[in-house]
Amino acid sequence: SAVISQKPSRDICQRGTSLTIQCQVDSQVTMMFWYRQQPGQSLTLIATANQGSEATYESGFVIDKFPISRPNLTFSTLTVSNMSPEDSSIYLCSVGTAGGKTDTQYFGPGTRLTVL
Amino acid sequence: AQSVAQPEDQVNVAEGNPLTVKCTYSVSGNPYLFWYVQYPNRGLQFLLKYITGDNLVKGSYGFEAEFNKSQTSFHLKKPSALVSDSALYFCAVRPQRPNQAGTALIFGKGTTLSVSS
Repeated sequence: SAVISQKPSRDICQRGTSLTIQCQVDSQVTMMFWYRQQPGQSLTLIATANQGSEATYESGFVIDKFPISRPNLTFSTLTVSNMSPEDSSIYLCSVGTAGGKTDTQYFGPGTRLTVL
Repeated sequence: AQSVAQPEDQVNVAEGNPLTVKCTYSVSGNPYLFWYVQYPNRGLQFLLKYITGDNLVKGSYGFEAEFNKSQTSFHLKKPSALVSDSALYFCAVRPQRPNQAGTALIFGKGTTLSVSS
């Protein structure tokens, strides 16, 4: 399995500002994903972070709101832009080490975001 | 549409008793099924997965899950519950998208397991 760290672990932000969340993996991985877990809810995929190309966003999520970078095979960032209280969630980075359909995904500890 | 359902919001069990957390799925083709656990203020931890082979899959912390194709179920089980098993449990399925490997997971809404001493 991969060891995944996220920064920051939590933050409290003001409406209208932006926050960039970092995800670092201890080994090169094929797939990296960003999920959102709203209070009391399940996980929803935001996007797949592609190395060397633009991220692939799920329905309901757009690049202007959630820009993603993936400069190499061990690191990715997710920015939550122009935040509103509705963006208060836990944001989780996830990685797949093999990239195949039977691959296990491992999750980082999450970033707990509160928007006032 | 491919999906996974967890019909129970909460499961209450006494310590030492067997536990079952239910999960049913709807997918086209062969299902790839997963169970994760989330402890308070922590990320998700992988418990086990079913890809192919034996219908009974063994995982971490003494948990196991039984794949039942006819009932489209993948229930999580443990013979003897511990208070420390109290957490939020998620069932997940990997959708089958042609020509796309390593796609992300679709999660159920989660089931809170509460084990009393």
